[in-house]
Amino acid sequence: DQQVKQNSPSLSVQEGRISILNCDYTNSMFDYFLWYKKYPAEGPTFLISISSIKDKNEDGRFTVFLNKSAKHLSLHIVPSQPGDSAVYFCAASPQTGANNLFFGTGTRLTVIP
Amino acid sequence: EAQVTQNPRYLITVTGKKLTVTCSQNMNHEYMSWYRQDPGLGLRQIYYSMNVEVTDKGDVPEGYKVSRKEKRNFPLILESPSPNQTSLYFCASKRISSSGANVLTFGAGSRLTVL
Repeated sequence: DQQVKQNSPSLSVQEGRISILNCDYTNSMFDYFLWYKKYPAEGPTFLISISSIKDKNEDGRFTVFLNKSAKHLSLHIVPSQPGDSAVYFCAASPQTGANNLFFGTGTRLTVIP
Repeated sequence: EAQVTQNPRYLITVTGKKLTVTCSQNMNHEYMSWYRQDPGLGLRQIYYSMNVEVTDKGDVPEGYKVSRKEKRNFPLILESPSPNQTSLYFCASKRISSSGANVLTFGAGSRLTVL
């Protein structure tokens, strides 16, 4: 059973607008949440993370929001650029040093010039 | 450059023919793992290793073996591949970020087709 879910397989956004990617999880024991970006023929690369004790983390154009009561997190990209077109994976980890990351199924973002 | 290198990148083989996918990292990370990516299922962990000579099963270990004789290398072995092992495979090593998050660095992937 998927503990981390990304219900939108794809998203298209105009260049310069905001992209919002969503992720839901079921396990309340998750302590850390991460977003990875994946280009074709490459491995996923780490983008941004957030601890469960925070509700927001920002890094340049990328902001992750965490709503623990709803078991929901989102990644905001502002402004979106064509180079952001990729598959985005949400991941969750039970604790520091845990042996596994639980991944969602990914959302393909297309930024239209 | 810090990286995880895996080979081969692409492989087509037949059922039952043993194969090995190699993985090497140059970041001196103790933890390494293997994932497979399948449509609609995301990335699922196959095996992981906490350190040299220490390995353990992940979520989908059936049909796979691993070994960790050196810190930098973590090969994935398919003793008798079957068509349901057709997948995209990723090797990864892990560091802990300053905030405590487990951050994986992935290789570029190995696309395996078993006929």
